[in-house]
Amino acid sequence: EVQLVESGGGLVQPGGSLRLSCAASGFTVSSNYMSWVRQAPGKGLEWVSVIYSGGSTYYADSVKGRFTISRHNSKNTLYLQMNSLRAEDTAVYYCARFSTGRDAFDIWGQGTMVTVSS
Amino acid sequence: QSALTQPASVSGSPGQSITISCTGTSSDVGSYNLVSWYQQHPGKAPKLMIYEVSKRPSGVSNRFSGSKSGNTASLTISGLQAEDEADYYCCSYAGSSTFWVFGGGTKLTVL
Repeated sequence: EVQLVESGGGLVQPGGSLRLSCAASGFTVSSNYMSWVRQAPGKGLEWVSVIYSGGSTYYADSVKGRFTISRHNSKNTLYLQMNSLRAEDTAVYYCARFSTGRDAFDIWGQGTMVTVSS
Repeated sequence: QSALTQPASVSGSPGQSITISCTGTSSDVGSYNLVSWYQQHPGKAPKLMIYEVSKRPSGVSNRFSGSKSGNTASLTISGLQAEDEADYYCCSYAGSSTFWVFGGGTKLTVL
């Protein structure tokens, strides 16, 4: 079964750090474009970051310089290292596979909640 | 403020049709036929319903259809059913600097 399972969310103080994980099954992370998309409470979706199959990484301006996307090929897992966290980073973070055949995010995880608060 | 503009809410009765608009700019919706639509039930992950403006993934009902004209994309749901009640989000590729932009979401209520 094709599946994504996120973990690592929680409560963190402003300025703190957190690392999110996304374990994939049923397909190979390193052969696909993988993204993080977030959703602030009661708000819409916001694209955060992508890592291409070739390893190139890109970020939304709102997180550039603070967040780092990476993957561990043998663990078939995607990561998001979040540093210098701000209150406005509070959101549910979803990992998603971007299908180049469909040019769309076709597989989503269930999400993990990150709360930035003192 | 989201990059793409959607109505906050739409409603319809069972069996009716509704259309949700998604307005962008010439830098995103207007430049690329790479608009997708996602359905999200409360507390659940988004689900891909339409890709490349008007294509449906296997398993998605043919009651869902998409179109685009200029800078505005649309999602039409015909023969409304109770299970269609959810939030719907549009998404467009916006070039190699911005990458992907989403709409603010539309809450569909089936009366």
